[in-house]
Amino acid sequence: EAQVTQNPRYLITVTGKKLTVTCSQNMNHEYMSWYRQDPGLGLRQIYYSMNVEVTDKGDVPEGYKVSRKEKRNFPLILESPSPNQTSLYFCASRSGQGATEAFFGQGTRLTVV
Amino acid sequence: QQQVKQSPQSLIVQKGGISIINCAYENTAFDYFPWYQQFPGKGPALLIAIRPDVSEKKEGRFTISFNKSAKQFSLHIMDSQPGDSATYFCAASIATSGSRLTFGEGTQLTVNP
Repeated sequence: EAQVTQNPRYLITVTGKKLTVTCSQNMNHEYMSWYRQDPGLGLRQIYYSMNVEVTDKGDVPEGYKVSRKEKRNFPLILESPSPNQTSLYFCASRSGQGATEAFFGQGTRLTVV
Repeated sequence: QQQVKQSPQSLIVQKGGISIINCAYENTAFDYFPWYQQFPGKGPALLIAIRPDVSEKKEGRFTISFNKSAKQFSLHIMDSQPGDSATYFCAASIATSGSRLTFGEGTQLTVNP
């Protein structure tokens, strides 16, 4: 089954404690992205990657890091989480250029206290 | 900056009625306009999409209307059903350059039985 898998689904952490949210896709897609969803603000892109070792900033990259060492994986790293990073996070993948469908993971709800 | 503006933020419709969600965009280079549907606890999923070479696209009860001169597009849900209750996001991208998707703010649709 084609899917994007995120872990964990829920996470409560304290300010400043480094964390990683994992994302893996099994569709051999080149293009992967991270979004955060906040009420009234929609889906805002944090980072994206067009292929292995190629990443770039989205609209709201401050406080986040990513890496793309393998085509299937695209982890999101919060080096020093702060309460304003409390949000619902989604990973998505697309096959690449063109009018292609984005496949989303089930989301990770992060609370930073 | 919000390049795709979506309205209304929330919408309540009676079963059997027509739901209409509107989006406006600023970047005239956008040439791919998808709509995503998101159920609670799930990631968004592609519902229907349109390219600007046509003014309307219909799939079952769902229709996208596109007005290039006004830089607007809308989603119409005919004969709305309680199972259509979800959050809907419009989006836009430049398909030929493989650019990222820019999402609207989202509309929470509730269809009352």
